[in-house]
Amino acid sequence: GESVGLHLPTLSVQEGDNSIINCAYSNSASDYFIWYKQESGKGPQFIIDIRSNMDKRQGQRVTVLLNKTVKHLSLQIAATQPGDSAVYFCAEKGAGGTSYGKLTFGQGTILTVHP
Amino acid sequence: KAGVTQTPRYLIKTRGQQVTLSCSPISGHRSVSWYQQTPGQGLQFLFEYFSETQRNKGNFPGRFSGRQFSNSRSEMNVSTLELGDSALYLCASSSDRGTYGYTFGSGTRLTVV
Repeated sequence: GESVGLHLPTLSVQEGDNSIINCAYSNSASDYFIWYKQESGKGPQFIIDIRSNMDKRQGQRVTVLLNKTVKHLSLQIAATQPGDSAVYFCAEKGAGGTSYGKLTFGQGTILTVHP
Repeated sequence: KAGVTQTPRYLIKTRGQQVTLSCSPISGHRSVSWYQQTPGQGLQFLFEYFSETQRNKGNFPGRFSGRQFSNSRSEMNVSTLELGDSALYLCASSSDRGTYGYTFGSGTRLTVV
């Protein structure tokens, strides 16, 4: 049958604002989570990661929060810049041998930063 | 340190043909995973190779196959191409099968006409 395109959530912010991108993950057994940024014509680029034994991790201008109770992940970008405009994906890696080498990706969120 | 290199960057093929895509991982990385990215299905895992053996496989038909060489370079092959195989094919390499993350290449854009 005819495939239906994914309807990606969008977030539009002004330069200098803080951005929050959310993600619900599927596998309660996942033990490792990664946020990627993908710009047009490029592959996903690693932003930050977090393991399931942590609730929060900070990088340069970015913070990832993990809530295992509700299987929710968020990415906070401080002082968002036009160069942050891209599609952002969360990805999860399950625990155990069958999950090695495999990431399960969320649908993605389009972030647009207006100067 | 060179990143993950995928060749070619673009390909146009006809229905029914077959295609081979190549991926050179970061030096020292022995795990290579392949993903298909489409507007309809997003990013989906195809398979993973580690030490020249397929270790994990996604839910794709047998027309999709791959291999890994002793230098960790990997190829994926799609036989009997269908229009729905048009996608961006991404490979990702890892030193430890993902324990410390994956680095992606820029992908090969395959168009089937």
